[in-house]
Amino acid sequence: DTAVSQTPKYLVTQMGNDKSIKCEQNLGHDTMYWYKQDSKKFLKIMFSYNNKELIINETVPNRFSPKSPDKAHLNLHINSLELGDSAVYFCASSHTSGRDDTGELFFGEGSRLTVL
Amino acid sequence: KQEVTQIPAALSVPEGENLVLNCSFTDSAIYNLQWFRQDPGKGLTSLLLIQSSQREQTSGRLNASLDKSSGRSTLYIAASQPGDSATYLCAVRPGGNNAGNMLTFGGGTRLMVKP
Repeated sequence: DTAVSQTPKYLVTQMGNDKSIKCEQNLGHDTMYWYKQDSKKFLKIMFSYNNKELIINETVPNRFSPKSPDKAHLNLHINSLELGDSAVYFCASSHTSGRDDTGELFFGEGSRLTVL
Repeated sequence: KQEVTQIPAALSVPEGENLVLNCSFTDSAIYNLQWFRQDPGKGLTSLLLIQSSQREQTSGRLNASLDKSSGRSTLYIAASQPGDSATYLCAVRPGGNNAGNMLTFGGGTRLMVKP
């Protein structure tokens, strides 16, 4: 069973379109994240979200918005896609409260977005 | 602002060698440090996690150390194998108010182990 799963794995779209990437975790974690890995392979945090608060990296354009229908899902919605949005987007989860908070992150396989 | 640096950026070694990957961070107020492995086109696999109160962690042929005061961590790989070829990333989690457990990653070390 995949612990953190993302769909789609590959997404090719035109500039200006709106797209979503879905993420689900079956680990019972309370916090989920979205990271962006650019062409130089640098990983940067975009969002951290649990049922109490959303923390946004200040460098993320407001065209990006996370949406969480429940604790096990955190989807990433992107409006008005731009060429520079092309990257691999990784979802992750962890348990961040109580004595189970080891802080260990578990990642999905990534979703490669190409904007033409 | 936390910055994480990994040296070297790339490393090529013959099979069987022991090797050390380095990670340094600028703000020593961390909660923990985690080493990951990333294979091409794949996600990240957690290798070792060291809490700020710990000095090292071991798993099989891997040993990670942490010197929080000097802002350094090393990942030691013993008796390297071709299957160890991957990119290795270190990441630190901030301490204090936790800032949502948002990790800061280094740029990675791309390792190739030649048969």
